[in-house]
Amino acid sequence: AQKITQTQPGMFVQEKEAVTLDCTYDTSDQSYGLFWYKQPSSGEMIFLIYQGSYDEQNATEGRYSLNFQKARKSANLVISASQLGDSAMYFCAMRGRNFNKFYFGSGTKLNVKP
Amino acid sequence: NAGVTQTPKFQVLKTGQSMTLQCAQDMNHNSMYWYRQDPGMGLRLIYYSASEGTTDKGEVPNGYNVSRLNKREFSLRLESAAPSQTSVYFCASSERVQGSTGELFFGEGSRLTVL
Repeated sequence: AQKITQTQPGMFVQEKEAVTLDCTYDTSDQSYGLFWYKQPSSGEMIFLIYQGSYDEQNATEGRYSLNFQKARKSANLVISASQLGDSAMYFCAMRGRNFNKFYFGSGTKLNVKP
Repeated sequence: NAGVTQTPKFQVLKTGQSMTLQCAQDMNHNSMYWYRQDPGMGLRLIYYSASEGTTDKGEVPNGYNVSRLNKREFSLRLESAAPSQTSVYFCASSERVQGSTGELFFGEGSRLTVL
């Protein structure tokens, strides 16, 4: 069975500081993909970053980076230089060997303080 | 380019009523999905369709039915709504293409309240 765990229901960060959102996963698949999505208060789901299980380097997209530690089964999202607009829910998700199933964590609500 | 469009965006039902959520995508994706989002529980997969003509159960299929009408459209039906089905519903699509991430593309969500 696939499982995604996000243990931080809510977090605060000061504007311009970096923040790490935790995500651990459980799978017996050798090939899988890890995703992070942002959900602002308006409700839409915005894709942020992807890491494949065979990718040797950590993924980066602008201010977002994914700290992938395969042996520990963790895929933490790092946001550098936080902005007020980063305040949102963040979801970690995994796609297993069965390409057609994506599993989501319970989410972390990030609040960026001015 | 509209992406994934779902209707209606809001709906209030009484217990026992039925309704259908419609979803259409214009990205020529083979795979389509229905998720529900509840506070503290993230997104849970209700049903998915790997390709036109196929559907499969996800994590929480009870009380729902789906139809993959064609490659573009994937509908979710509540035959006899219950208060436990009060939720925000998301339709999504994806496509596995060599060299791409194959991420999910989401609709804007449909907020359903069952009284």
